[in-house]
Amino acid sequence: DIVMTQSPDSLAVSLGERATINCKSSQNIFYSPNNKNYLAWYQQKPGQPPMLLIYWASTRESGVPDRFSGSGSGTDFTLTISSLQAEDVAVYYCQQYYSNSYTFGQGTRLEI
Amino acid sequence: EVNLLESGGGLVQPGGSLRLSCAASGFSFRKYAMTWVRQAPGKGLEWVSGISGSGGSINYADSVKGRFTISRDISKNTLFLQMDSLRADDTAVYYCAKELGRDGYEAFDSWGQGTLVTVSS
Repeated sequence: DIVMTQSPDSLAVSLGERATINCKSSQNIFYSPNNKNYLAWYQQKPGQPPMLLIYWASTRESGVPDRFSGSGSGTDFTLTISSLQAEDVAVYYCQQYYSNSYTFGQGTRLEI
Repeated sequence: EVNLLESGGGLVQPGGSLRLSCAASGFSFRKYAMTWVRQAPGKGLEWVSGISGSGGSINYADSVKGRFTISRDISKNTLFLQMDSLRADDTAVYYCAKELGRDGYEAFDSWGQGTLVTVSS
C-alpha cells in the first residue's frame, strides 16, 4: 500500500496567520497520461464527518473558501490556509486515490 | 442535495456479523462509485472498501479482505457492507461516502454522519 505521511502531527497558528500542512506519499501519485495528482485534502471538525477541501492536489471543492489552497506534485504536497480563521480549527487529512487501495495520512491537528 | 444515511451499527460480540446500510438520495446513485471509511475512537481515517457505479469493480483494504463484503442495490439507492468474523479492532464509526466519479479513483465529495460499530464481549 501507498503510505501517506503528514507533518506536523499538530500545529498551533495565530488568527490571521498562515498555516501549512505537508503530506508525503511513499510512491509517486502523479499519472502522466492525464496530468493529474491523485491527492485530496479533507477537514474534520469534532463530532462531524470529514469534508472535502481539495482534490487533484490543487482543485478547490465548490463552496470551500479561497484561503484554502493545495499544491505539490509527485510525492510531496502541501495544504495552505492563507489567513487562519477560528472556524478552521480541525484535523486535516490527506488521501491518495492513485492505487485501488486508498490510504489516508495520519492527520494533522490544527489549533489556534 | 446529496444525502447519505447510514444504519445498522451496534454492539456485536467478537466473531459475530453485522450488515451496514447507506441510503442515498439527491443524486443519480448508479452514476457514482461509493466507498466505506471507518474511524476508530480517537483515531484517524481508514478506507475500508469501494465499489464502482456499475458494481463491476470492488476493492477492499487488506485489514478486511475475506471478512467484509460491499454491495449496492441500484433499485433501492442503497449501499451495503456485510461484516463477518468481526474483531475488537473493527470497532469504529463507519462512514459511507460518494466519490466524484463513476469508476473509482476519485476523491469523496459527500459523506454520511456515520454509524458506530462496537465489537466487544
